[in-house]
Amino acid sequence: DVKVTQSSRYLVKRTGEKVFLECVQDMDHENMFWYRQDPGLGLRLIYFSYDVKMKEKGDIPEGYSVSREKKERFSLILESASTNQTSMYLCASSLGDIISGGGGYTFGSGTRLTVV
Amino acid sequence: AQKVTQAQTEISVVEKEDVTLDCVYETRDTTYYLFWYKQPPSGELVFLIRRNSFDEQNEISGRYSWNFQKSTSSFNFTITASQVVDSAVYFCALKGSNTGNQFYFGTGTSLTVIP
Repeated sequence: DVKVTQSSRYLVKRTGEKVFLECVQDMDHENMFWYRQDPGLGLRLIYFSYDVKMKEKGDIPEGYSVSREKKERFSLILESASTNQTSMYLCASSLGDIISGGGGYTFGSGTRLTVV
Repeated sequence: AQKVTQAQTEISVVEKEDVTLDCVYETRDTTYYLFWYKQPPSGELVFLIRRNSFDEQNEISGRYSWNFQKSTSSFNFTITASQVVDSAVYFCALKGSNTGNQFYFGTGTSLTVIP
């Protein structure tokens, strides 16, 4: 069964900490994405990557960075966590070619991050 | 610009009722793709359906059906004879042909099916 795995389901961090959220996919997908999900705001794109060592800003990149050193792994980094970054973080991956991409994204189960 | 609007924030129905979730989209692309995802309480979004803009056929899958109307830029989702297991947040999403592989999501509709 193909999967996108997010390393933590729940995470509690202190303000000012550097936080790493890890995402690994086993489908050899080219594209990987990080979204945050907040009530009433839906899913908002933070960063995405089309290839190894490549990254593009999404709609809300401020306060975040990413790393993609290997095709299967896409890490989201909160440089200095703040309380307004308390949210559900969702990782997704997809094939490079949407025409043959079937269902588009495959999502992980999410990481619920609380910054105190 | 790409935009998806799900005007219904929350819906509650009694089990066995039919329910329709609305999705209206905006795009300037002539070719685009529409999706519905289901997010159960476990959190993982699950793919339900994909529709290409050049294929306006409606689709039925068991109790689920989708009505794609290009003329009104809508892609509505109907659940017939709803069940408690249908309780979830449902997201409609759009990908344009000129926007790389980025999807644009609506804000979601939270459906509660009451036994």
